[in-house]
Amino acid sequence: AQSVTQLGSHVSVSEGALVLLRCNYSSSVPPYLFWYVQYPNQGLQLLLKYTTGATLVKGINGFEAEFKKSETSFHLTKPSAHMSDAAEYFCAVSENFGNEKLTFGTGTRLTIIP
Amino acid sequence: DTGVSQDPRHKITKRGQNVTFRCDPISEHNRLYWYRQTLGQGPEFLTYFQNEAQLEKSRLLSDRFSAERPKGSFSTLEIQRTEQGDSAMYLCASRLGTGLVWETQYFGPGTRLLVL
Repeated sequence: AQSVTQLGSHVSVSEGALVLLRCNYSSSVPPYLFWYVQYPNQGLQLLLKYTTGATLVKGINGFEAEFKKSETSFHLTKPSAHMSDAAEYFCAVSENFGNEKLTFGTGTRLTIIP
Repeated sequence: DTGVSQDPRHKITKRGQNVTFRCDPISEHNRLYWYRQTLGQGPEFLTYFQNEAQLEKSRLLSDRFSAERPKGSFSTLEIQRTEQGDSAMYLCASRLGTGLVWETQYFGPGTRLLVL
């Protein structure tokens, strides 16, 4: 069975500071990993994904994540936070190429301090 | 490409009533998923369709829940005899499933259900 742990349900950073959101996964097979962002009263938008190949993945809005198999981690980073980054962020894992259902973490709410 | 749409966006109902939600996927997406998101939690998988066939159902989907995708296009999710514990955001997602490469799941805005 696959699972995702997001450390820190709430993270606050100052505008212009580094954003680091942590995600660790458990999977019995090589995983597919995702970060989604959810703004209030909206659905989920894909930020980035890791399937195969390069372990450093770049996404939209300046975010990137690095797949580290030895640490079973897929942390999300952004060098300089912007006020518009305030949202809820979900890490997700999928194992199955057959149905591709996603298993999500509990989310991290990111607050940006002016 | 107009994105995944869901209707209604909000639903308030009384305990014991039946409710039905609709999801219109991105055209030509043959795979459709339903997830449920309760307050403070991440979305949880409920069920998924490939074309009109329902291929997997989560144990979260009790016998009061039924989902259909009759013509392989839009889908409906019905909850019978609603309970307060059914209050949640119901999310629909779709993707193109070629089986050759990984395709992204695109999510709709969700239907927020409140059972009084």
